[in-house]
Amino acid sequence: EPEVTQTPSHQVTQMGQEVILRCVPISNHLYFYWYRQILGQKVEFLVSFYNNEISEKSEIFDDQFSVERPDGSNFTLKIRSTKLEDSAMYFCASSLWGTSQETQYFGPGTRLLVL
Amino acid sequence: AQSVTQLDSHVSVSEGTPVLLRCNYSSSYSPSLFWYVQHPNKGLQLLLKYTSAATLVKGINGFEAEFKKSETSFHLTKPSAHMSDAAEYFCVVSDRAGGSQGNLIFGKGTKLSVKP
Repeated sequence: EPEVTQTPSHQVTQMGQEVILRCVPISNHLYFYWYRQILGQKVEFLVSFYNNEISEKSEIFDDQFSVERPDGSNFTLKIRSTKLEDSAMYFCASSLWGTSQETQYFGPGTRLLVL
Repeated sequence: AQSVTQLDSHVSVSEGTPVLLRCNYSSSYSPSLFWYVQHPNKGLQLLLKYTSAATLVKGINGFEAEFKKSETSFHLTKPSAHMSDAAEYFCVVSDRAGGSQGNLIFGKGTKLSVKP
């Protein structure tokens, strides 16, 4: 069964450094998402992406964050200058049409620790 | 605004006994509701979803959930727990009405422990 993959599984970085989290969505899907879960808190929506553009973003997704689909398979989340509070599990997801009734398929997550 | 509340952060059952994980939702329209499960070091996996068809929804691994509009609930049940059911379970609502592009709103999760 096709699945969403994410790399790396764990990343440790120093505050102020840039990080890039990578995702490979399911190949025929058109909508891509990033969510994050700070330890002990809810999973929160960050951004959705369609047709090489951001469809929606939450208030969390400020100028420090960016997303890109650099080629036909990868979908990346970049944090330009990491802060301590960016430490979280980051989940990538994809869906075919992006409708509210549709299943979003999630990757296993990248655990980011900012020191 | 749409939201979900998972009433229990941790539920512990014995193997072979029923499982009940509770979820209440708030929505200004007919919601799409989902239950996802996360096993350690694994991604979020869809168990089942409700999208305004049958109110009793059957999912994978023997789980089911019933949409009760009058109670604004979408509780997850399983008649007989298995050791492999130990995981974290998330009740999720879509933030838009059906057909429009939607993003997901998660509950805080319920950690299910299964004792031998």
